[in-house]
Amino acid sequence: AQKVTQAQTEISVVEKEDVTLDCVYETRDTTYYLFWYKQPPSGELVFLIRRNSFDEQNEISGRYSWNFQKSTSSFNFTITASQVVDSAVYFCALSEAGSYIPTFGRGTSLIVHP
Amino acid sequence: DAMVIQNPRYQVTQFGKPVTLSCSQTLNHNVMYWYQQKSSQAPKLLFHYYDKDFNNEADTPDNFQSRRPNTSFCFLDIRSPGLGDAAMYLCATSIFGTEQETQYFGPGTRLLVL
Repeated sequence: AQKVTQAQTEISVVEKEDVTLDCVYETRDTTYYLFWYKQPPSGELVFLIRRNSFDEQNEISGRYSWNFQKSTSSFNFTITASQVVDSAVYFCALSEAGSYIPTFGRGTSLIVHP
Repeated sequence: DAMVIQNPRYQVTQFGKPVTLSCSQTLNHNVMYWYQQKSSQAPKLLFHYYDKDFNNEADTPDNFQSRRPNTSFCFLDIRSPGLGDAAMYLCATSIFGTEQETQYFGPGTRLLVL
């Protein structure tokens, strides 16, 4: 069975600090997809990134970067120079091949103080 | 340009009084999902529609029902809300329901049961 663990319940940083959100997953499949979603206080989950299991290239999008390491079953998310607007709950999710119902982690609440 | 719309954003109901939450989408996606999200928890899938085919999660209480009269609309009916049903209810869509797709979420309806 698939499982996603986000061990960090809450992280508090000061603006401009870098912060990394951890995501560790378990799956028996060789083909799977990993996602990150952001949930701001307004409630809507916003898609950030999707990565398939065959693509281990790290990705950078502005201040956001993702580190996918199959060897450690991790898909970590780093925000560089954090801003107050980054304050939200961030969810990591996993979909196995043949199942379009993702399994979500419990989320990490990020609080960025001015 | 809202793509997944949920109404109302906030709903207050009384213990045992039926309530209906609505979701509409302008994306023409085949799959629509209903999630329940309680405070500091991951979204929990209640059920989903693949076109008109209804798929209920095994642990979704019978108290929760859903209707999808057409591609654009989906409703969540809670027949006899209990205090434990107070939560955020999220509607989401995806195009075909494959494991590689992202889900598009609405802003959610926060339900309060008095």
